[in-house]
Amino acid sequence: DAGVTQSPTHLIKTRGQHVTLRCSPISGHKSVSWYQQVLGQGPQFIFQYYEKEERGRGNFPDRFSARQFPNYSSELNVNALLLGDSALYLCASSLSITGGTDTQYFGPGTRLTVL
Amino acid sequence: KQEVTQIPAALSVPEGENLVLNCSFTDSAIYNLQWFRQDPGKGLTSLLLIQSSQREQTSGRLNASLDKSSGRSTLYIAASQPGDSATYLCAVRPGTDKLIFGTGTRLQVFP
Repeated sequence: DAGVTQSPTHLIKTRGQHVTLRCSPISGHKSVSWYQQVLGQGPQFIFQYYEKEERGRGNFPDRFSARQFPNYSSELNVNALLLGDSALYLCASSLSITGGTDTQYFGPGTRLTVL
Repeated sequence: KQEVTQIPAALSVPEGENLVLNCSFTDSAIYNLQWFRQDPGKGLTSLLLIQSSQREQTSGRLNASLDKSSGRSTLYIAASQPGDSATYLCAVRPGTDKLIFGTGTRLQVFP
């Protein structure tokens, strides 16, 4: 089975632009989460979606939004890009959100550079 | 507020050594703890998950332990190899949504 896939792999944008990142979870997984990883730091939680509903939101501004589609794939949108948004954006999927036994499986990430 | 700390930040060892990576967290109310490996510029690979009711998990040359009461976890790597060189991240799951990560330990194993 294919793992978590993300597109695009790399992206270069300028300040003020908008970007859309895409994620396809492992087949059968219904939960998708998004994380931002700045160089040298651990990933920071942005959103979690389960069964097409937002189930968790991290401490990020309203410029960040996401959605999950009926096939459980997901998009992360960032408006009015700032230099500080440059990071590796990671998507993770899991079977459910029960917590105890849910292993999070991560994709390869999208490297976003804002100039 | 849950905080996760990993020590050391970097480690360089010769091939064949057994080594221990440390992870500490401030709030013992967690569902589980996961250890991940990250190669430069890449995504995260899940290594081990320990549920809050468990004390340890093993996979091949890796063994992870969890002591919730003291807020500590260790990842033991036996007979290290150059291919083990990567950044190792631990993360705790305080609820059903997010993982909270440490900043990682960058490991280099030289031949």
